[in-house]
Amino acid sequence: ILNVEQSPQSLHVQEGDSTNFTCSFPSSNFYALHWYRWETAKSPEALFVMTLNGDEKKKGRISATLNTKEGYSYLYIKGSQPEDSATYLCAFRANAGGTSYGKLTFGQGTILTVHP
Amino acid sequence: NAGVTQTPKFQVLKTGQSMTLQCAQDMNHEYMSWYRQDPGMGLRLIHYSVGAGITDQGEVPNGYNVSRSTTEDFPLRLLSAAPSQTSVYFCASRGQGSYEQYFGPGTRLTVT
Repeated sequence: ILNVEQSPQSLHVQEGDSTNFTCSFPSSNFYALHWYRWETAKSPEALFVMTLNGDEKKKGRISATLNTKEGYSYLYIKGSQPEDSATYLCAFRANAGGTSYGKLTFGQGTILTVHP
Repeated sequence: NAGVTQTPKFQVLKTGQSMTLQCAQDMNHEYMSWYRQDPGMGLRLIHYSVGAGITDQGEVPNGYNVSRSTTEDFPLRLLSAAPSQTSVYFCASRGQGSYEQYFGPGTRLTVT
């Protein structure tokens, strides 16, 4: 079983604060790292797919970086807003053959609450 | 395109009952998977399939069966429901060669 860890488990910030959280994953057999945003009672929504060491992705106020050699990714939110409140999940995909090629292993998520 | 659909949205079962959660996608995706979501546990993979006729176990397969007779459908069967299977279940699909994975709306299951 692959170990994908996210920290912190939960985070409370004030509106306007910038914040970041971490996803750590195995540094071998890397294929892709996914970030999802997940609101209660909805399906997970894809934010980024990162495939190359050093990748940086940006969508509005949210950005992510990737270090495959040391096995971590950071997700940053600049100027948090109450609507950013959600669970942020990362998922690791290994470079595996056979029927394992498509499996995603999820971290436990970081629950972000942005207070007005 | 309806994307990934799941039925039912909510279900209450008594211990020992069996049922099937339905999942369908209309995107001709080869890869489909079932996850369960429990507080503090993220999403855990139950079973997955890389194409019609091919299925494999994920992290937490016990108590669940799957089959993939068509590309479109990937039902999840609970053989004899237990309270430990109370959870939210998500189905997902992805096309071969694509990074993007699409999730269904989820089924909230309570076993009493």
